[in-house]
Amino acid sequence: KAGVTQTPRYLIKTRGQQVTLSCSPISGHRSVSWYQQTPGQGLQFLFEYFSETQRNKGNFPGRFSGRQFSNSRSEMNVSTLELGDSALYLCASTPTGGNDIQYFGAGTRLSVL
Amino acid sequence: KQEVTQIPAALSVPEGENLVLNCSFTDSAIYNLQWFRQDPGKGLTSLLLIQSSQREQTSGRLNASLDKSSGRSTLYIAASQPGDSATYLCAVNSGNTPLVFGKGTRLSVIA
Repeated sequence: KAGVTQTPRYLIKTRGQQVTLSCSPISGHRSVSWYQQTPGQGLQFLFEYFSETQRNKGNFPGRFSGRQFSNSRSEMNVSTLELGDSALYLCASTPTGGNDIQYFGAGTRLSVL
Repeated sequence: KQEVTQIPAALSVPEGENLVLNCSFTDSAIYNLQWFRQDPGKGLTSLLLIQSSQREQTSGRLNASLDKSSGRSTLYIAASQPGDSATYLCAVNSGNTPLVFGKGTRLSVIA
C-alpha cells in the first residue's frame, strides 16, 4: 500500500508570491491534516479535512487555506508569502481522524527568500 | 490548553546503552499518545501508539509507557545503535482535536 505522498518535496519562493502544496493520502483514508514545522515553534497544526469538509483549524492567519477533493487528495495554499513561512509542511492521513494513528508524508520544504 | 514537554532536548549516548526519553502533558484527558521518529529533513515515522487505557506498548527494542494520571510517558530504547540517531517526538490526542506535539528529543548514538 502506498504511503502518504507530498509534492513537491522542495520549493523556493520569494516574498509576496503564493504557493500550493499537495498531499495524497493512503488509499482509503478520508482524513488529511496539515502541520507546519519550524525549529522555533516545532510542529503546529494548520487544519484537518474530512470528506471534503474542514473539520478543525489551527491558529494561523487567513493567508493559509486548504481544500480536499472527492478522492481525498488535499491541497494547501499560502498567499502573500512572508519570510516566516519558511518551514517544513507535513501532511498526515488517517482512515477517519479522531483517535486513529496518523501516517505522515515526507513533507514539503518551503523556503521563502 | 494541552501542552506537551519533552526532556531532554538533546541526548548523546555511546552505542549499546539503554536510554529513556521523557514526555509530559498538562491535561490528562487524552485518548492516546503516539511516539514518532523523525530523521533530518524527513517526515515522521510512527513508532508506538498507546491508548489511554493501556500502560505500555512494545515494539522490538522500544517500550513506551503511559501514566495518564500523572501526565507522563516514557520511551525506553534498549541496546541503542547508531541507526537510532534521530529526533523523537511525542504527541497526544485528546479526541476529535489535532495532535499536540512536544518539541522533541534529538538523540545521537555514538559508535
